[in-house]
Amino acid sequence: GAGVSQSPSNKVTEKGKDVELRCDPISGHTALYWYRQSLGQGLEFLIYFQGNSAPDKSGLPSDRFSAERTGGSVSTLTIQRTQQEDSAVYLCASSFLWDDTEAFFGQGTRLTVV
Amino acid sequence: AQRVTQPEKLLSVFKGAPVELKCNYSYSGSPELFWYVQYSRQRLQLLLRHISRESIKGFTADLNKGETSFHLKKPFAQEEDSAMYYCALRGNTPLVFGKGTRLSVIA
Repeated sequence: GAGVSQSPSNKVTEKGKDVELRCDPISGHTALYWYRQSLGQGLEFLIYFQGNSAPDKSGLPSDRFSAERTGGSVSTLTIQRTQQEDSAVYLCASSFLWDDTEAFFGQGTRLTVV
Repeated sequence: AQRVTQPEKLLSVFKGAPVELKCNYSYSGSPELFWYVQYSRQRLQLLLRHISRESIKGFTADLNKGETSFHLKKPFAQEEDSAMYYCALRGNTPLVFGKGTRLSVIA
């Protein structure tokens, strides 16, 4: 596709359930980032993938959060045993290289935990 | 540690007035600084970067290493500038963003 694609656009889940959020980066981009956007907190870095290197997981808020990137392309962010405080917009971005000037963002997945 | 501070959550200005969105950073090395913008119902997108020293949509930003600042400025605000603005820093880790400033331009 022409840009970063995320699915689903919206997800409502019950507290305690697991959710999976998907990100399709721009073809050929080796760097992929996940951020969480919530009111008053701005953009919170979660995890970063660069090629075949070990991911930078330093931003994951708890062990309920995990992410993987298969084949250097599609990435899935998994949140286990969701809590209400997990409600936010989850943004994915990609760039050609880790130190590339511009990161291109997807439209986000709005997660609501009820 | 890398840190970006945007002290204003909301900034309201009248159309035609000057705009300055403040950004301060903390990083011990040589940073790369960016401004990203998110218009209503649109994706977050790059507005400008300090290394290119360019003016985009009338906006400019100068990196001041002495004051560790990268304030975004525009001499005459327009209604279409209303959006959420994020300052970002890349040091030795991926992009770190501030909490953002919502700019509201009043007609």
